[in-house]
Amino acid sequence: QKEVEQNSGPLSVPEGAIASLNCTYSDRGSQSFFWYRQYSGKSPELIMSIYSNGDKEDGRFTAQLNKASQYVSLLIRDSQPSDSATYLCAVISLRGGYNKLIFGAGTRLAVHP
Amino acid sequence: GAGVSQSPSNKVTEKGKDVELRCDPISGHTALYWYRQSLGQGLEFLIYFQGNSAPDKSGLPSDRFSAERTGGSVSTLTIQRTQQEDSAVYLCASSLGTVGYEQYFGPGTRLTVT
Repeated sequence: QKEVEQNSGPLSVPEGAIASLNCTYSDRGSQSFFWYRQYSGKSPELIMSIYSNGDKEDGRFTAQLNKASQYVSLLIRDSQPSDSATYLCAVISLRGGYNKLIFGAGTRLAVHP
Repeated sequence: GAGVSQSPSNKVTEKGKDVELRCDPISGHTALYWYRQSLGQGLEFLIYFQGNSAPDKSGLPSDRFSAERTGGSVSTLTIQRTQQEDSAVYLCASSLGTVGYEQYFGPGTRLTVT
C-alpha cells in the first residue's frame, strides 16, 4: 500500500464547476497535510496547508481533512482553465520522521471552457 | 530574490562525469530539502538539512550521491560517476523549520545524463 494515494485522473470539469480532488494516506501518525499545484515543466507550488480536522478555505480553494478516515481533499470552486495542472497531495508523517514530505503521484485536472 | 533559487536550470552531462547542483534557500529558512522527480514519476525525498547538519539522508539512492550545506544557507548536491538513471529534475525546498512547516520549492535543475 502506498503511503499517499491519489487518483491519477485526468479529472475533467467544465469551466465554472467545482473540482474535487481526493487523497488518502496510510500512516495514522500523519500530522501535516499539503496541496501543491504543478504545471507541466514547472516545480510544485504550495496552495494549501491543513493541520486540523475540518475545512480550511482560501479564496476559491477549500482543503478538508478527516483524520479518522485518513483522507484529505481539495475543492476548487469556479474552476478556470488556468487551474489545469497536476495537483499533488503531500503528508508529513511519523513514519517519515516528521520532516520530509511524502507525496502522492498527483491528480491531473483539466478544466475545459 | 524572495524565493528558493537553484542552479544550473539545466545540465547535460556524459555518463561517468560528476555534477554539482546548487540550492540557495529563502532567507531565514533553517531547513533545506532535496527531492528528485523522474519523468512521469512522483517526487522522491533525498536528504534534508537542519542548519548545516543532515539528520536524514535516508533517501539518497546510492553512495554516489552526497550533499552538504555551509553557513546554514547554500547547499550543494553532488552526484559522482553519473548514470543514465540519474536523469531527473532535482528540486530543492526550504522551510522555516522542520516538523510540519510549509516547504517552498525552487524551480529545479533538469539533469540529463547521456
